[in-house]
Amino acid sequence: DADVTQTPRNRITKTGKRIMLECSQTKGHDRMYWYRQDPGLGLRLIYYSFDVKDINKGEISDGYSVSRQAQAKFSLSLESAIPNQTALYFCATSDPGVPGNEQFFGPGTRLTVL
Amino acid sequence: GQQLNQSPQSMFIQEGEDVSMNCTSSSIFNTWLWYKQDPGEGPVLLIALYKAGELTSNGRLTAQFGITRKDSFLNISASIPSDVGIYFCAGPTGTASKLTFGTGTRLQVTL
Repeated sequence: DADVTQTPRNRITKTGKRIMLECSQTKGHDRMYWYRQDPGLGLRLIYYSFDVKDINKGEISDGYSVSRQAQAKFSLSLESAIPNQTALYFCATSDPGVPGNEQFFGPGTRLTVL
Repeated sequence: GQQLNQSPQSMFIQEGEDVSMNCTSSSIFNTWLWYKQDPGEGPVLLIALYKAGELTSNGRLTAQFGITRKDSFLNISASIPSDVGIYFCAGPTGTASKLTFGTGTRLQVTL
């Protein structure tokens, strides 16, 4: 079984709709991250969390919110989706005890906002 | 903020050829990570480098941590079709709580 799972894998929605993307991990890592990937722009950090009570904004948090429901679960919400939020979204985890902040990624969610 | 520049942006090579790509930064990094992303999948960690000058291999892949700590190199020997994908470099930033990713090198392998 995969260590980091994301649901759904693909989603098409309309402008103005509320969308939630979910991430679960079985790695036992405290740290979790949400990234967005656009063609030619690499990975950009949206939000990250170091434990259940910790939430931090990344470089592109506007228009997004997150919830860390448990150590193993970290969800990303788009309160009112807009077309320029069409992208690939990745969840990642890391163990703070490992030097260099090596991160492990889920398979991604492809989101299309019409 | 810190930026990582990867070169080349894309490569088209024939099966069996060796590949070299690099990643440069205007700032010093204490760790370099190399990831590969297959089409439709998330990035997978290939190699981690922790010390300037370090040379580390993973099968046909070899990565080096530059002496200046501002660059890193990834080489792939005897490429095969499954090497196709996007290769990203990354390094911890801030209080090492976040990673900065390069823009990637897209590798295409022809038979």
